[in-house]
Amino acid sequence: DGGITQSPKYLFRKEGQNVTLSCEQNLNHDAMYWYRQDPGQGLRLIYYSQIVNDFQKGDIAEGYSVSREKKESFPLTVTSAQKNPTAFYLCASSTPGRGTRETQYFGPGTRLLVL
Amino acid sequence: GENVEQHPSTLSVQEGDSAVIKCTYSDSASNYFPWYKQELGKRPQLIIDIRSNVGEKKDQRIAVTLNKTAKHFSLHITETQPEDSAVYFCAATTDSGGGADGLTFGKGTHLIIQP
Repeated sequence: DGGITQSPKYLFRKEGQNVTLSCEQNLNHDAMYWYRQDPGQGLRLIYYSQIVNDFQKGDIAEGYSVSREKKESFPLTVTSAQKNPTAFYLCASSTPGRGTRETQYFGPGTRLLVL
Repeated sequence: GENVEQHPSTLSVQEGDSAVIKCTYSDSASNYFPWYKQELGKRPQLIIDIRSNVGEKKDQRIAVTLNKTAKHFSLHITETQPEDSAVYFCAATTDSGGGADGLTFGKGTHLIIQP
């Protein structure tokens, strides 16, 4: 999972501002995912993409947007419509190949705080 | 959609004893069940996983069992050590054939190893 990077490590958002979280992987993984983790809680799926130029909403997509223009990159934008964005955001990718598609490895995360 | 319940939320055991964490899932189509370990402020790390075509899998001190009929799966850690202290998450997903969907996570178990 050292091949998945996220930046920045910490991000501060002002009211009404859109911010973008970066996720890059050099593992040649087809699928990429974004999760949100609140304190003391499990991870919840925001968006995922199984292939370039295609993505699907997860359980809590409202107030977020994504793009998948390159296989290596899956940026997440937290829009002003997301009223409670403070959380730890984790990006993951999964291995290619039959029978192993489901195995997901995580990046180091971005902690988003609202000013 | 899928719903994963995890128990207990906190588990304290003496060093050297065994620990068991249990999860139930709701979607009978789920066919992949990973377990992640997360240390404070770090990314989740995959420790073991199981697919629906097997009932048990072991890796040194860690084992996972799956009961498809009852829709529950469990993590077993034997001979616990201080470095086992962390939050453990179970998860479930379905490989729909076109690729892996996102994971649905339990809310986590804080495992505390008492010296």
